[in-house]
Amino acid sequence: DIQMTQSPSSVSSSVGDRVTITCRASQGISSWLAWYQQKPGRAPKLLIYAASSLRSGVPSRFSGSGSGTDFTLTISSLQPEDFATYYCQQGNSFPFTFGPGTKVDIK
Amino acid sequence: EVQLVESGGGLVQPGGSLRLSCAASGFTFNSYWMSWVRQAPGKGLEWVGNINQHGGGKYYVDSMKGRFTISRDNAKNSLFLQMNSLRAEDTAVYYCAREATAARGDFDYWGQGTLVTVSS
Repeated sequence: DIQMTQSPSSVSSSVGDRVTITCRASQGISSWLAWYQQKPGRAPKLLIYAASSLRSGVPSRFSGSGSGTDFTLTISSLQPEDFATYYCQQGNSFPFTFGPGTKVDIK
Repeated sequence: EVQLVESGGGLVQPGGSLRLSCAASGFTFNSYWMSWVRQAPGKGLEWVGNINQHGGGKYYVDSMKGRFTISRDNAKNSLFLQMNSLRAEDTAVYYCAREATAARGDFDYWGQGTLVTVSS
């Protein structure tokens, strides 16, 4: 199985900050990487697919990059509604696997 | 509007069985792979397995293979998860999710989740 790791596990930031989350796969996954946002008590929401494609309706302050084993999710200017937990997920091969999550909270 | 609504969760004893359902609406159900994803209390997301558009292809996480079975009824726009031999560690919120890209995850729509609690 492909193992996904994320760093940091948590980050405290302020509104307006630039936030970068890293996701690493234990083996190459091409660009089959998605990013999700989850708020407490809610289902996850898809933000980015195919490593860098922004889902329709997602604000442009979210961006994704990377290929192979190393990927990044960037929030260019953190907004109050962005405080949440973020997960990466590989879709290169079964079983699909998720990273452990990165919690973004208020400094 | 795309909607996925899970049902069937509840309290079950260890070793017991439960069948979850997911009612889909607002899209052409038989055109999409569908997945089940679970989340234990306070933990991260774990993919359970998926099924292709016509039900002929199914994939599972090894730890659930043989205990969990995914099926679908395209005539009723419904997805199912039959769970047998349940263990305490199966306690979780179970989500059904649509795969935007066939067999690649990219879960673009999720249900609200249904809680399964395995306890005596």
